[in-house]
Amino acid sequence: EAGVTQSPTHLIKTRGQQATLRCSPISGHTSVYWYQQALGLGLQFLLWYDEGEERNRGNFPPRFSGRQFPNYSSELNVNALELEDSALYLCASSLRLGTLVRAQYFGPGTRLLVL
Amino acid sequence: EDKVVQSPLSLVVHEGDTVTLNCSYEVTNFRSLLWYKQEKKAPTFLFMLTSSGIEKKSGRLSSILDKKELFSILNITATQTGDSAVYLCAEGRVGGGADGLTFGKGTHLIIQP
Repeated sequence: EAGVTQSPTHLIKTRGQQATLRCSPISGHTSVYWYQQALGLGLQFLLWYDEGEERNRGNFPPRFSGRQFPNYSSELNVNALELEDSALYLCASSLRLGTLVRAQYFGPGTRLLVL
Repeated sequence: EDKVVQSPLSLVVHEGDTVTLNCSYEVTNFRSLLWYKQEKKAPTFLFMLTSSGIEKKSGRLSSILDKKELFSILNITATQTGDSAVYLCAEGRVGGGADGLTFGKGTHLIIQP
């Protein structure tokens, strides 16, 4: 069974530009989560999508946005890039059954460098 | 204020030793406690614990949850160099993935040959 896939693996942008990161969940998973892992800060929850809708977001500014497509793949967009956006961006997917927490399975991440 | 606190932050042991990693969490709307192993990029799922006192095992790894004292431990016996990684603990709250998972900063474990 294929795991979560992300593209690109690395991305270099300059301040003020926009970045688009992509994620394909495990087959059958409808929920997609995005996390930011910046140096020294640990994994921080960014966004949660399920059934094509944004269900919740973490404590990040609106320039972090995204969407989920009908095939459950997802895109994370970061506008007006700032130096501190440099981080590893991890996507995870899970089944969603009612309100039960399900294990999230992570992709390999996209390393974003903002110069 | 950190809601999930892991200790120690780093640990260096020799191959064959047994290690215990700790994770404490907040009680509000708690649903489950998850452990992950992160070597290079993708955290790999290890365990999900929802019930107090029930040990989960996978080979040399085991974990248990104490919902009264609000902590979990991850044990690794007969450690090997391949166990070297950052071990992450995460709390899942009520409402499914409503808030995403809240992660601790991790324990960086180094196994010396």
